[in-house]
Amino acid sequence: KAGVTQTPRYLIKTRGQQVTLSCSPISGHRSVSWYQQTPGQGLQFLFEYFSETQRNKGNFPGRFSGRQFSNSRSEMNVSTLELGDSALYLCASSKAGTGVPYEQYFGPGTRLTVT
Amino acid sequence: GNSVTQMEGPVTLSEEAFLTINCTYTATGYPSLFWYVQYPGEGLQLLLKATKADDKGSNKGFEATYRKETTSFHLEKGSVQVSDSAVYFCARLMDTGRRALTFGSGTRLQVQP
Repeated sequence: KAGVTQTPRYLIKTRGQQVTLSCSPISGHRSVSWYQQTPGQGLQFLFEYFSETQRNKGNFPGRFSGRQFSNSRSEMNVSTLELGDSALYLCASSKAGTGVPYEQYFGPGTRLTVT
Repeated sequence: GNSVTQMEGPVTLSEEAFLTINCTYTATGYPSLFWYVQYPGEGLQLLLKATKADDKGSNKGFEATYRKETTSFHLEKGSVQVSDSAVYFCARLMDTGRRALTFGSGTRLQVQP
């Protein structure tokens, strides 16, 4: 079974630009979550999508947004990039439903560098 | 609160040494607890989990027991290998209704031959 895939793996952008990152979950997983990993703040939860709806949200500004498609693939978008947005962005997928043990499986991440 | 606290690293051990990485959490209830491992240049891999008090999670020689009395979930391995060198993250499920994880700051383990 293929794991979580993320594209692109590396990205360099300039301040003020916007960026879109993509995530394909494990087949059969309907929930996709996004996390930001930085040396200073560690791993922080951005948001979770399930059935094309944002179900949970972390404490990030509105410049960070996402969406999920009917095939459970997800994208996240960051507008008006700032230097502090440089990070590893991790996507995780999980099965969703009552009675299912909650486990998240992570992709390799997209390394975003803002210059 | 929703926090997870891990011992600071790096932890440097010789091959075949015993490993303990401490993890404590704050919670009003009994959230599911997890250990993830991150190898250089990769994402996080689920190492083990425990979903209720007194549960013991185990995988690849690693173990952790959910201790509600001490709100701890320490990671242990009896004999580490060089290939275990990585960063280890303790995590808890956020409060009820939020299907997301809160992570500790990570502990880097370096195993020397």
